[in-house]
Amino acid sequence: GQNIDQPTEMTATEGAIVQINCTYQTSGFNGLFWYQQHAGEAPTFLSYNVLDGLEEKGRFSSFLSRSKGYSYLLLKELQMKDSASYLCAVRVSNTDKLIFGTGTRLQVFP
Amino acid sequence: EPEVTQTPSHQVTQMGQEVILRCVPISNHLYFYWYRQILGQKVEFLVSFYNNEISEKSEIFDDQFSVERPDGSNFTLKIRSTKLEDSAMYFCASSIGTSGGQRKFFGPGTRLTVL
Repeated sequence: GQNIDQPTEMTATEGAIVQINCTYQTSGFNGLFWYQQHAGEAPTFLSYNVLDGLEEKGRFSSFLSRSKGYSYLLLKELQMKDSASYLCAVRVSNTDKLIFGTGTRLQVFP
Repeated sequence: EPEVTQTPSHQVTQMGQEVILRCVPISNHLYFYWYRQILGQKVEFLVSFYNNEISEKSEIFDDQFSVERPDGSNFTLKIRSTKLEDSAMYFCASSIGTSGGQRKFFGPGTRLTVL
């Protein structure tokens, strides 16, 4: 079976740094995506990792360890507009579909 | 940035009725998808479509569901006889390819409510 785990909710303060973890157990692995989803809106792409290591893109970074089945999304210099759900999604081998986690709802407070 | 568009944004229907959800993928994209998200739950894959054929479908995508690309721009999802449990947000997505990190662009969604 496919299993992707994320914390349900997190809170943080404006200007702070937050790390959202994701662990996965899937039948094969062909890349991990992070999406941001504001309430009632479509998921929007944040990052992609397929090799071990850190990918940095502005205030957002994503890390992957394939041997541990683990990824995290790091958000720096948090802004109020970063309040959203963050979805971890895995693309399993020999398929084009994404398997999503339940998402982590992040609330940023002033 | 190019966008996937979907219509309608909201659809309310009676149980047993047929609904058609419409999507216009990004123009040079070749791969098309439908996902759904029941309120408060995870985003779930329904179907992928390439070269005028279904390339993959999930267990959710049973005989009540069908997809079509009726012309060069639209991509539709039809639910033949809606059930209460079909109430969800339906997202269309498209991508230019499937290799590596080819990301899927999601549309804004159609909220389907079955009464």
